[in-house]
Amino acid sequence: LAKTTQPISMDSYEGQEVNITCSHNNIATNDYITWYQQFPSQGPRFIIQGYKTKVTNEVASLFIPADRKSSTLSLPRVSLSDTAVYYCLVFGRSSASKIIFGSGTRLSIRP
Amino acid sequence: SAVISQKPSRDICQRGTSLTIQCQVDSQVTMMFWYRQQPGQSLTLIATANQGSEATYESGFVIDKFPISRPNLTFSTLTVSNMSPEDSSIYLCSGRDRGGINTEAFFGQGTRLTVV
Repeated sequence: LAKTTQPISMDSYEGQEVNITCSHNNIATNDYITWYQQFPSQGPRFIIQGYKTKVTNEVASLFIPADRKSSTLSLPRVSLSDTAVYYCLVFGRSSASKIIFGSGTRLSIRP
Repeated sequence: SAVISQKPSRDICQRGTSLTIQCQVDSQVTMMFWYRQQPGQSLTLIATANQGSEATYESGFVIDKFPISRPNLTFSTLTVSNMSPEDSSIYLCSGRDRGGINTEAFFGQGTRLTVV
């Protein structure tokens, strides 16, 4: 299973763009990169998933270089409500693939 | 994506007793996963549950302590047996779609267990 490494914590201000980078050096060919957001007292919530290059949805963008050994979650114009823990996960497409959580990044947004 | 309902949302239990946590999905899923999360910590995978077969447990977790049932493709239970204060934690269930374009997992809201 590919291990992920990401910063323990980050701080930013409202209206800024936040980029959280994750390292996954031993990612397998069949693995996808997925990011989750977790608020206190809630289960993790899916944000975005990608395999290579760039993926964008209504809440975030995901940048994946050609070697796929890292990825960057980009949150545009953050607000106070984006304060949460963000997890970078790497797992296979098969529904049987285990989903192992790393330590996550605790993002704090200030006014 | 599918929605998972988890019950109870919280409970306070006496040591030595057992608690069964239920997880109901609003659509069929192939695999369900059970996690434990200590306050301020990340999620730790307990076991993987496939319908019709015994659950597969991660290192450090055993069936006698955390028996799991998976009677159909929309439901699973996790029992925390013979509880001690060390079992106080948040327990979460997760499911994955049966394949196709969507490969992400979705999670229940968790069960906050306090053992006294």
